[in-house]
Amino acid sequence: GAVVSQHPSRVICKSGTSVKIECRSLDFQATTMFWYRQFPKQSLMLMATSNEGSKATYEQGVEKDKFLINHASLTLSTLTVTSAHPEDSSFYICSARDPRTNEQFFGPGTRLTVL
Amino acid sequence: KQEVTQIPAALSVPEGENLVLNCSFTDSAIYNLQWFRQDPGKGLTSLLLIQSSQREQTSGRLNASLDKSSGRSTLYIAASQPGDSATYLCAVRTNQAGTALIFGKGTTLSVSS
Repeated sequence: GAVVSQHPSRVICKSGTSVKIECRSLDFQATTMFWYRQFPKQSLMLMATSNEGSKATYEQGVEKDKFLINHASLTLSTLTVTSAHPEDSSFYICSARDPRTNEQFFGPGTRLTVL
Repeated sequence: KQEVTQIPAALSVPEGENLVLNCSFTDSAIYNLQWFRQDPGKGLTSLLLIQSSQREQTSGRLNASLDKSSGRSTLYIAASQPGDSATYLCAVRTNQAGTALIFGKGTTLSVSS
């Protein structure tokens, strides 16, 4: 299947700082990417849908000014957690849809810990 | 809004048993349904993808069925092994352009040797 990478895999930061997570589709062009968040022992919750060249669509309850999403190219989407707080500590997983098959492929996730 | 429910939340079985994990969804107008495996602290591994026009998919000891009209899917694991211990997630994509997979809360499986 197609490959989606995420960087970094793990990040620890101080409260109040901003953290950027990158998501790349390595062998296909993804017009649509998705960002999910997973708290311990919980399922994946969709945060936002990102379409290349346009503004992201956020799910209800997700603050768009706190979780900035940029999908500037067909192979790269970034999620920036601004002014991070300990409650933002979570596992963030990105996903990209391969337009050739319509299948959604997932990155390996980024573990964010805010101290 | 699509909601996905998985039963049971947790399951413990001895090695060698056959088992069934259940998934139900509220909106039957789906594009596809996918089963994933997640090991603790890790990402997702796709197990089986069933398109809305299909009734089942098989891969090795795994068999997934789909009954779209009743909003149900099952994942059958034959001859379970300790290495099958993980959380199994069911996810559904509704039949609208641009929609993402929506996940259930998962079933955590423990297979003892």
